[in-house]
Amino acid sequence: SQELEQSPQSLIVQEGKNLTINCTSSKTLYGLYWYKQKYGEGLIFLMMLQKGGEEKSHEKITAKLDEKKQQSSLHITASQPSHAGIYLCGADRGGSNYKLTFGKGTLLTVNP
Amino acid sequence: EADIYQTPRYLVIGTGKKITLECSQTMGHDKMYWYQQDPGMELHLIHYSYGVNSTEKGDLSSESTVSRIRTEHFPLTLESARPSHTSQYLCASSDWGGFTEAFFGQGTRLTVV
Repeated sequence: SQELEQSPQSLIVQEGKNLTINCTSSKTLYGLYWYKQKYGEGLIFLMMLQKGGEEKSHEKITAKLDEKKQQSSLHITASQPSHAGIYLCGADRGGSNYKLTFGKGTLLTVNP
Repeated sequence: EADIYQTPRYLVIGTGKKITLECSQTMGHDKMYWYQQDPGMELHLIHYSYGVNSTEKGDLSSESTVSRIRTEHFPLTLESARPSHTSQYLCASSDWGGFTEAFFGQGTRLTVV
């Protein structure tokens, strides 16, 4: 199965600081998704990356898929308490056997 | 805003009871999924469907069953609930075709006592 490793498992930062979350796959990624979850709620889609080297940004969050398509990073600039939550990377195998599976998540705490 | 709904949001039920968790979407999506989420955050895929009358087991073995009689509806059933079934259950849907965004419901927090 597609194995996704996220690091760090948890992260505590001071408001205003930058941070990076990594997602590494043991296999080539055909589509890499980043989601955010508030505790006890559903997942909110952040962005999707497909092409090696692709980089996308939304407000202060930037995600990149490396050239070999086996690792992605999520970078938050000037973090705010609203960024706190669980960040999950997800991936699918591509083709007709589509199953969206996820890494273990990174719990982000932003202290004011 | 995603048009995918899960009911109930919270459920506390006794051991041995039969329960059904409801999931409905109004987006006409062919693909639907059920995930079980650990207290430690990890999401495990337990069931998925590619369309009406299609159901597949996910990566994590589950005693639950699912059905897909209508495109918009993907209920999950536990015939006899046990404390080990206590968890957060999340339903999602996505359009057909590769690499499309999956939309998630708000989840059902199930507690079996």
